[in-house]
Amino acid sequence: DAKTTQPPSMDCAEGRAANLPCNHSTISGNEYVYWYRQIHSQGPQYIIHGLKNNETNEMASLIITEDRKSSTLILPHATLRDTAVYYCIAIVGAGGGATNKLIFGTGTLLAVQP
Amino acid sequence: NAGVMQNPRHLVRRRGQEARLRCSPMKGHSHVYWYRQLPEEGLKFMVYLQKENIIDESGMPKERFSAEFPKEGPSILRIQQVVRGDSAAYFCASSPLPTSGGFTDTQYFGPGTRLTVL
Repeated sequence: DAKTTQPPSMDCAEGRAANLPCNHSTISGNEYVYWYRQIHSQGPQYIIHGLKNNETNEMASLIITEDRKSSTLILPHATLRDTAVYYCIAIVGAGGGATNKLIFGTGTLLAVQP
Repeated sequence: NAGVMQNPRHLVRRRGQEARLRCSPMKGHSHVYWYRQLPEEGLKFMVYLQKENIIDESGMPKERFSAEFPKEGPSILRIQQVVRGDSAAYFCASSPLPTSGGFTDTQYFGPGTRLTVL
């Protein structure tokens, strides 16, 4: 699975959009980009994932560059409860023969400020 | 639809005792993963199981740790003769059986079991 690189920390004002970047320059064609977050001491929470196209759900939007070497997670209106460590993970999709174990890096600590 | 359930949420053991951690996957999920998070560290994969089979145990310590996912009942992570270094949060995740034509391996995590070894 491709290695991902994220900034260690970011701040965001409450009510503003939070844009969290992730670099995955060695990603292969069958690897998806997944985002999870971990709010202090809780279990990781799935946010969103994508392969090539941009994706949106009720929690966030995922923008993947055309060359797939980087992506951005967007929380459109950050709240204090969005303060968490956000993890970007590249993982082979189903049928790829891999065991789909998630390899967590150090992530980005997003601090939403009032 | 209930999420992944883990129990106990907190477990205290003395050195040398056994710890048993339980994980009930989401309904319809037949894949279970265990991860460990040591204090102030990131999550590390331990083991991946399907019903009655261990698929990948590359992250399991070689001794004292074992895992099972029987045909009936929850998945169990068992730690024998616990030591202080086993103190950590243990998270279980589950995912559905992959379906053809789509990617359905999203893993959903439980709340974790916090093991403290005295």
